[in-house]
Amino acid sequence: KAGVTQTPRYLIKTRGQQVTLSCSPISGHRSVSWYQQTPGQGLQFLFEYFSETQRNKGNFPGRFSGRQFSNSRSEMNVSTLELGDSALYLCASSLEGYNQPQHFGDGTRLSIL
Amino acid sequence: AQSVTQPDIHITVSEGASLELRCNYSYGATPYLFWYVQSPGQGLQLLLKYFSGDTLVQGIKGFEAEFKRSQSSFNLRKPSVHWSDAAEYFCAVARTGNQFYFGTGTSLTVIP
Repeated sequence: KAGVTQTPRYLIKTRGQQVTLSCSPISGHRSVSWYQQTPGQGLQFLFEYFSETQRNKGNFPGRFSGRQFSNSRSEMNVSTLELGDSALYLCASSLEGYNQPQHFGDGTRLSIL
Repeated sequence: AQSVTQPDIHITVSEGASLELRCNYSYGATPYLFWYVQSPGQGLQLLLKYFSGDTLVQGIKGFEAEFKRSQSSFNLRKPSVHWSDAAEYFCAVARTGNQFYFGTGTSLTVIP
């Protein structure tokens, strides 16, 4: 079974631009979560989608948004990029149920110049 | 509020030595606890999980963890560390709705 796939792996943008990241979950997983990882901050939860609905949201500004499609694939969008948005963005998928572990992709490394 | 604390930012051990990584959680109900490992440039890989029952859980790569409710801890252990274990380790707690809370991680260096 294929794992969680994130594209692209690396991205370089400039301040003010916007970016869209993609995540394809493991087949059969309907929950997709997004995290931002920066040195010293650990993993910060962005949001979680289940069956095309945002179910949980972390404490990030409205510039960060996401969506989920009927095939469970998810996209995350960041508008008006800032230098502080440089990070590794991780996507994780899981089966329904809070005792189900999350399975992570290798992430998208976003660098803002 | 739920939270996870990993008190040790960085740990260095010699190859072959034993390892214990600390994790403390704050959660109002029965916790669902996980340990993940992250190698450079990669995502997180699940090492083990605790839901209920036996408080000592076995995971992959020879790791184990012990849940101690009285201490609100879920420490990760390995009897003999290998050089390939050098990585970042994250403890996490899950609540309903698939929302996970991660600690800030412990970076492990293994010296020959």
